[in-house]
Amino acid sequence: AQKITQTQPGMFVQEKEAVTLDCTYDTSDQSYGLFWYKQPSSGEMIFLIYQGSYDEQNATEGRYSLNFQKARKSANLVISASQLGDSAMYFCAMREGYLKAAGNKLTFGGGTRVLVKP
Amino acid sequence: DTGVSQDPRHKITKRGQNVTFRCDPISEHNRLYWYRQTLGQGPEFLTYFQNEAQLEKSRLLSDRFSAERPKGSFSTLEIQRTEQGDSAMYLCASSRDRAYQETQYFGPGTRLLVL
Repeated sequence: AQKITQTQPGMFVQEKEAVTLDCTYDTSDQSYGLFWYKQPSSGEMIFLIYQGSYDEQNATEGRYSLNFQKARKSANLVISASQLGDSAMYFCAMREGYLKAAGNKLTFGGGTRVLVKP
Repeated sequence: DTGVSQDPRHKITKRGQNVTFRCDPISEHNRLYWYRQTLGQGPEFLTYFQNEAQLEKSRLLSDRFSAERPKGSFSTLEIQRTEQGDSAMYLCASSRDRAYQETQYFGPGTRLLVL
C-alpha cells in the first residue's frame, strides 16, 4: 500500500482564491510528522509547513495551513489567496518513527501540480 | 544563513562512466540525506548520515552507488558504471537533530542525464 497518496495530479486555481491539496497517509506508528514541500520548475524542494502527530492545533505558516484529521489519516494543505508564484508541484511527505535512529527518512507522495490563472 | 548547495547542477555523461556529486549542508546541520527523483515522481530516499556515520541505506542504493561524508560536513555521492536508468534528479537535504520537529531543507539538486 502507498504510504502517502495524493489523488489530484493537477489543479487549476484562480488568482486570489484558496485551493486545497489532498494528502492521505498510512502508518502504524504513533509518532510521525507530516510535511508539505513546494517544487517550482527550477527543481528545488522548498519546505512549507510541518504537522506533528501529537500536535493538537492545525499548523499554519502565513498563507499555508494544514487541515490535519488524524482519525482519517489526512493532512490537506490549504493555500489561501493564491498568487501566480504559487504555480508549482506540491509534495506531501511523512517521517515515521522519529524516535528510532533510522527513522528519519521522508516518504513522499506523487505530487500535485498547481497552476494559478491570472 | 546559507542554504544547502549542490554541485554540479547539471551533468551529462555517457553510459558506463563514473560521476560524482557533492553536497554542502547548512553549516550547523549534523544530518544529511540523499534522495533521487525521477520525472513525474516524488523523491525517493537513498541514504542518510548523522555526522560522518552512514546510518541507513535504501535498497535503491545498488553496489554501483556509494556515498561518503568523511568529516561530517560535505558529502559526495558517486555512481559507478552509469546506466540510462540512473538519469534523475539527485537531491540532498540536511537537518538539525531536533527529534520530533526535525525538518529537512533541500538543495537545488543535480540533474543527471546518462546517454
